[in-house]
Amino acid sequence: KQEVTQIPAALSVPEGENLVLNCSFTDSAIYNLQWFRQDPGKGLTSLLLIQSSQREQTSGRLNASLDKSSGRSTLYIAASQPGDSATYLCAVRRSNYQLIWGAGTKLIIKP
Amino acid sequence: DGGITQSPKYLFRKEGQNVTLSCEQNLNHDAMYWYRQDPGQGLRLIYYSQIVNDFQKGDIAEGYSVSREKKESFPLTVTSAQKNPTAFYLCASSRDSSGEQYFGPGTRLTVT
Repeated sequence: KQEVTQIPAALSVPEGENLVLNCSFTDSAIYNLQWFRQDPGKGLTSLLLIQSSQREQTSGRLNASLDKSSGRSTLYIAASQPGDSATYLCAVRRSNYQLIWGAGTKLIIKP
Repeated sequence: DGGITQSPKYLFRKEGQNVTLSCEQNLNHDAMYWYRQDPGQGLRLIYYSQIVNDFQKGDIAEGYSVSREKKESFPLTVTSAQKNPTAFYLCASSRDSSGEQYFGPGTRLTVT
């Protein structure tokens, strides 16, 4: 059974720091992995999607990597800003329709 | 302005009442999904639909029902049989069942 874990559950860093959020999964047979952002009380915004054949994806200050063999993905945020404060969720897709979700990391960027 | 809309944003109901949450998309997506989000947990899939007039149970379908009579609409009914209905409900859609999912703003349901 696929399980997705995000550690830490919460993280607080000063503005300007580079930081890494972690996502681990137990079954390497995945179709793709997706990172989302969720602001309090709001829906989810897709940030990056990495196909199983890819090693990384980049969008602006965000870079997501995927290592299927070790069951890990990281989301790197460069030069963090207070506007980056949100909960970040990762989700793994199996070969069918279903996404398996982590519980998220709540990120606070202190001005 | 394309996207997914959910209404209402907040919903309050008395225990024992059924309630229907709305989800509409104008993205021309075939697949639609309903998730439930509880504090400290990952999203859990309630129901999904890959195409009009077809839907499948997800991991926590008990106490919920859906319909998919139109491509753009996928309403969720929370019935009185759902033991712990208070939660944040998220609707999503994708081009097909393997595509990237796009989410609505969510409905927070409180049952007292």
